[in-house]
Amino acid sequence: DAGITQSPRHKVTETGTPVTLRCHQTENHRYMYWYRQDPGHGLRLIHYSYGVKDTDKGEVSDGYSVSRSKTEDFLLTLESATSSQTSVYFCAISERPGTGLYNEQFFGPGTRLTVL
Amino acid sequence: DAKTTQPPSMDCAEGRAANLPCNHSTISGNEYVYWYRQIHSQGPQYIIHGLKNNETNEMASLIITEDRKSSTLILPHATLRDTAVYYCIVGSGANSKLTFGKGITLSVRP
Repeated sequence: DAGITQSPRHKVTETGTPVTLRCHQTENHRYMYWYRQDPGHGLRLIHYSYGVKDTDKGEVSDGYSVSRSKTEDFLLTLESATSSQTSVYFCAISERPGTGLYNEQFFGPGTRLTVL
Repeated sequence: DAKTTQPPSMDCAEGRAANLPCNHSTISGNEYVYWYRQIHSQGPQYIIHGLKNNETNEMASLIITEDRKSSTLILPHATLRDTAVYYCIVGSGANSKLTFGKGITLSVRP
């Protein structure tokens, strides 16, 4: 929906290895977000971006970094993956200029990450 | 941001109205009420939002009490495809950093 793709969709990796997840949008939305979803916790915000090269932390940012070098791509990096980072990761976007639709977040299909 | 309280689950019959309640007693004056839903392992889907007035769109209606301490999402004619987890969220407006709780699981039975 809303032209959001996430890659990879599934990944299995080992503890201590670096992992990068990619969120790509074709909607020219200004804001982009990374969430994780775990049983019993719902969705929790990791990091978000309010423009190219402009990012900020969410509520569970420890162990994660992000980068946004162009409007359409938002990367989430786990520098050294741990088993506690096994989760489903969702990307979201909001605010396409000129539409007035600034209150809706559109979500991607998710990436299932398993850290062994 | 204000927190919300939702019952863990409810069910309704197909074709009937589903009324999903939410309490947000600590909501502040500039905070909106948002509703999203998540259908089995898919990404959440925006449904509706409101500030003070009741709102309606093609998916649902949102009824907010006059004191704004609670709201109800109404799906007027529930179908089996409406079975999902519904999240009531409070946020401060444009591009809010939304905090998702555990939501309410709606089961629509045939």
